[in-house]
Amino acid sequence: DSGVTQTPKHLITATGQRVTLRCSPRSGDLSVYWYQQSLDQGLQFLIQYYNGEERAKGNILERFSAQQFPDLHSELNLSSLELGDSALYFCASSVDRGWADTQYFGPGTRLTVL
Amino acid sequence: DAKTTQPPSMDCAEGRAANLPCNHSTISGNEYVYWYRQIHSQGPQYIIHGLKNNETNEMASLIITEDRKSSTLILPHATLRDTAVYYCIVSAVGYNNNDMRFGAGTRLTVKP
Repeated sequence: DSGVTQTPKHLITATGQRVTLRCSPRSGDLSVYWYQQSLDQGLQFLIQYYNGEERAKGNILERFSAQQFPDLHSELNLSSLELGDSALYFCASSVDRGWADTQYFGPGTRLTVL
Repeated sequence: DAKTTQPPSMDCAEGRAANLPCNHSTISGNEYVYWYRQIHSQGPQYIIHGLKNNETNEMASLIITEDRKSSTLILPHATLRDTAVYYCIVSAVGYNNNDMRFGAGTRLTVKP
C-alpha cells in the first residue's frame, strides 16, 4: 500500500460525458501527478500540481483539466469523452523537496467509455 | 520518448537471482536511475533509485556502471510474486520533478 488513494476504482460512462477522478496523496506529500495508461500508449505523464499550483504539463488533452485543493487532494476532470479515453488513470505523489523525488503511485481508476 | 532501453521480456527460475539490464547511454550528470515495477494493472511500485553508487534496499540491488551508461536491477531471490513489468527510468534533479518517462519496460516472468 503506497498511501495514495484514488476513487473510484472503476468508472463506466458514455461518449460525450464528463467524469471526475479523485486522488488523495500520501500524508505530507505536496506534489500530485496524473498519468494515463492505455493499451497502445503505455504510461503517459499528464500533469503535475505542487501545493495547489500547476507545475508541469505533459501530454494532456485540452478536454482534460486538473486541480489541487488546499487539503492537497487532486481531481482530474475529463470531458467530452471519446472511446479512446478508455484507460487506466494513475495518480502519484511525492514530497517534492526540490530534487529528484520518488513518486508513489495509487491503485488507479479504470475508465471505460462506451 | 523514454531515454532507456530494456529487453522486452525475461524469464527467471523461482529462487534464483533475476538480473534486469537497462541501457541509458545519454544519461546526464544530474539524472537519477529509477526502477519501478507494475504487477498486472496495479499502480507502479517504486523499487529503488540511485545516482552513481550502487544501492541496496529490502527489495533489490541496483548496480550502476562507472560511466553511468547502464545499470542492472537485481532481485536476489525471485519469487512468483515478482512476475511483473519492470521499468527503468532516468529522472533529472531539479525543481520540476515531472520527467518520469516510462518506456515499454521488461516483462519478467518468474517460473516455478
